[in-house]
Amino acid sequence: DAKTTQPPSMDCAEGRAANLPCNHSTISGNEYVYWYRQIHSQGPQYIIHGLKNNETNEMASLIITEDRKSSTLILPHATLRDTAVYYCIVFSGGYNKLIFGAGTRLAVHP
Amino acid sequence: DTGVSQDPRHKITKRGQNVTFRCDPISEHNRLYWYRQTLGQGPEFLTYFQNEAQLEKSRLLSDRFSAERPKGSFSTLEIQRTEQGDSAMYLCASSFRSTGMNTEAFFGQGTRLTVV
Repeated sequence: DAKTTQPPSMDCAEGRAANLPCNHSTISGNEYVYWYRQIHSQGPQYIIHGLKNNETNEMASLIITEDRKSSTLILPHATLRDTAVYYCIVFSGGYNKLIFGAGTRLAVHP
Repeated sequence: DTGVSQDPRHKITKRGQNVTFRCDPISEHNRLYWYRQTLGQGPEFLTYFQNEAQLEKSRLLSDRFSAERPKGSFSTLEIQRTEQGDSAMYLCASSFRSTGMNTEAFFGQGTRLTVV
């Protein structure tokens, strides 16, 4: 079973920041937080991951709380092309695999 | 290399027929994963390989399903005696794993199977 909890859906206005929350209260010390997204009829796309520090790349920022029990993915200036299902996954690597939950369906509207 | 490639993209088959899907991972990746996704759900893990060794199989992978990765390169997923419940998107992903290094997994575009 997925070890994360996400809201089933969110809306965001184009050009505004989209803040997608994720709860992972049972995360272990060696587990990373990964975010993927899936645009309709395509395979999941990697966005970003982090262990305990905040991370930023060209796609998004990841903010992880100090106790690591929750995180927020931030899309700073959402566009219509960011409409997708966003998955938050905890993953330790090694001999484990990505376990997907139901994700958050983000709708970006004009 | 343009990423993970899956073939075919779409497959329609009659119930009871056998089908085989192919996945070509990113060339230097030693890990290869198979997932299944039904409408409105997140991808469900089926199995994964490290090089040619199949390291784990999900309980979702019934006896009618078999996956291979000969020579540690491409992989095939075969479904025998297909049932309507097998209708889904089958996703392949690859990554690189070694001591001290683990890349993120990259997914292909999937093969959509429809069993009629």
